[in-house]
Amino acid sequence: NAGVTQTPKFQVLKTGQSMTLQCAQDMNHEYMSWYRQDPGMGLRLIHYSVGAGITDQGEVPNGYNVSRSTTEDFPLRLLSAAPSQTSVYFCASSHTGPKNIQYFGAGTRLSVL
Amino acid sequence: AQKVTQAQTEISVVEKEDVTLDCVYETRDTTYYLFWYKQPPSGELVFLIRRNSFDEQNEISGRYSWNFQKSTSSFNFTITASQVVDSAVYFCALSEANYGQNFVFGPGTRLSVLP
Repeated sequence: NAGVTQTPKFQVLKTGQSMTLQCAQDMNHEYMSWYRQDPGMGLRLIHYSVGAGITDQGEVPNGYNVSRSTTEDFPLRLLSAAPSQTSVYFCASSHTGPKNIQYFGAGTRLSVL
Repeated sequence: AQKVTQAQTEISVVEKEDVTLDCVYETRDTTYYLFWYKQPPSGELVFLIRRNSFDEQNEISGRYSWNFQKSTSSFNFTITASQVVDSAVYFCALSEANYGQNFVFGPGTRLSVLP
């Protein structure tokens, strides 16, 4: 019963490095999203996808790219990491529709030095 | 625009006290959904409850209860006889029916229950 799986759990990057945060779900959910969590600001939406091949920007998309080639996977790419991207990142998935509960991965703690 | 406010940044109570966490929301939609999530010290986000805008009945689940009032745009969460295991950050979230399904989260309330 894996649910939403995120890797890695922890990552330290130097400014300017690139990396991909992985997210996979096994619940056949159409909707997937990425959030970042910063102290005092709750969770803010970065990017989301309503199905394979369809992605869109959320509230704070700058500096991040996403793609959705399969229903299961929704990776988040940092092209050139900046200290402002130090945060905890959560991936979530749900069935399509605003009433649906979003299920979250365990999170990735990222530090950019 | 949609917005969720949780005015209480941090709350500390002693075990067995009752505590209420406040959530006030703003929405442009007539159909919407409200959620509460719990984030314990381990960091994962755990779903607690969902309420739709047409159902104003209060709900009780064990020591937890929720008071939804459309007249004041509030969806407050009460823990009765708090326990140390209730220590966590609690988030309120809003999803609108006619403006996409993206969640808007409040900033969270950190609850510390002291033994």
